[in-house]
Amino acid sequence: EIVLTQSPGTLSLSPGERATLSCRASQSVSSSYLAWYQQKPGQAPRLLIYGASSRATGIPDRFSGSGSGTDFTLTISRLEPEDFAVYYCQQYGSSLPVTFGQGTKLEIK
Amino acid sequence: QVQLVQSGAEVKKPGASVKVSCKASGYTFTSYGISWVRQAPGQGLEWMGWISAYNGNTNYAQKLQGRVTMTTDTSTSTAYMELRSLRSDDTAVYYCARVTYAIFDVWGQGTTVTVSS
Repeated sequence: EIVLTQSPGTLSLSPGERATLSCRASQSVSSSYLAWYQQKPGQAPRLLIYGASSRATGIPDRFSGSGSGTDFTLTISRLEPEDFAVYYCQQYGSSLPVTFGQGTKLEIK
Repeated sequence: QVQLVQSGAEVKKPGASVKVSCKASGYTFTSYGISWVRQAPGQGLEWMGWISAYNGNTNYAQKLQGRVTMTTDTSTSTAYMELRSLRSDDTAVYYCARVTYAIFDVWGQGTTVTVSS
């Protein structure tokens, strides 16, 4: 099973700042199968990024993804108030199971 | 628009079973899979398994093997997840999600399942 470790656990920033969230895999992950989700309290997760760097439909271009192999990054270029939430990375490797990282909470400083 | 609408909250006793439904609309049901993901209170996301709506093939998370069954009814575009022998640590919000190439692109609103004596 591929373990995804996200860092930091909590990130405290102000609106307008840049956020960089990390996701590290215990073994290499195909970029095609690395995704990022946003979850706000009381809501279902929402797909932000798939294929490591492709934005899902309707996702603003301030969200970007990068990385390959075992190291992936989600960047929010300029934080808006609605971006404060929990973010999860997810992978599907060459074999099951699908796994999620433990999440990074992005909170207002 | 594409949406998944799940059944309502459930309260069950330990040892009982629960069956959650997920009705799809706005797309061709049999062209995608459906996955189930759960989230215990204050915790992260846990993949439970998935089912192909095209042919009914399933893959379940190893820890749930033998307790979970996922099915679909293509006549009503509805997916179901049944979990048996419920324990207190099965208390969670259960989500269905549409799956394409292992990407969960549309999610249901979630169903809270509480297991308590």
